[in-house]
Amino acid sequence: EPEVTQTPSHQVTQMGQEVILRCVPISNHLYFYWYRQILGQKVEFLVSFYNNEISEKSEIFDDQFSVERPDGSNFTLKIRSTKLEDSAMYFCASSERGTAETQYFGPGTRLLVL
Amino acid sequence: GQSLEQPSEVTAVEGAIVQINCTYQTSGFYGLSWYQQHDGGAPTFLSYNGLDGLEETGRFSSFLSRSDSYGYLLLQELQMKDSASYFCAVRKGGSTLGRLYFGRGTQLTVWP
Repeated sequence: EPEVTQTPSHQVTQMGQEVILRCVPISNHLYFYWYRQILGQKVEFLVSFYNNEISEKSEIFDDQFSVERPDGSNFTLKIRSTKLEDSAMYFCASSERGTAETQYFGPGTRLLVL
Repeated sequence: GQSLEQPSEVTAVEGAIVQINCTYQTSGFYGLSWYQQHDGGAPTFLSYNGLDGLEETGRFSSFLSRSDSYGYLLLQELQMKDSASYFCAVRKGGSTLGRLYFGRGTQLTVWP
C-alpha cells in the first residue's frame, strides 16, 4: 500500500540553526500538509499546499517557516532559525484532493532544538 | 475559533465495547474525522462522518449528530492492540476545507 515517507526520523539542532524536513507524499496525491505535535499535546495544522502554492497556513506558520515542492516527489518544510519551542514531532500528510475524507500521515520527524 | 472536547482517558478490558465521545464548537462545520495514534506513531485515519448517522467500518463505528455538535467513536471487540490515542478532528468548509482541527485526544488502555 502506498505510504507517505519522511526523513529524517529524528533531528537534533542548535537554536538559531536552519532545518529542512523532507517528505515524499503518495504519488497520485495533489494536496499536501504539514502538522506538528508538541509532546503530549494535540496535533496542530501548520500549512496546506496545492498546485505549487500555499492554500492555507495557520498562525503558527510564521515567517520562519516555508514550504517547497522542489521536484515532482519531494515536499519540504524549512524552519529558518529554530527556537526551543519548535521542538515537536512534525507530520507530513497528503490527500488525493482537498475534499478527500482521508489524509494519509507520514511517520513524522522528531525535532529537538537545544 | 473552534473547540473540541473529548475525554482524556478511557480504560476497558479485552472483548469489551468502548465509546469515545467528542463535542465540538465551530463555525462552518463540514465533517468529523477520527484518527488513531499509537505512541510516537503517525495518526492513522479510522472514520469520517459528513452526514448525520452511523458509519461502520469493521469493529469501528462512528456517529455524528450535527444538531447536537456531537459525535462518537465506538470500538467493539476490543483487542490489546487497540490501546492508543484516539483523536476527533473537525473539517471546516470553504477555504479551510483541507485543514483538520484536532481534539486533544483520548488515551485508550485495553487490559487483558
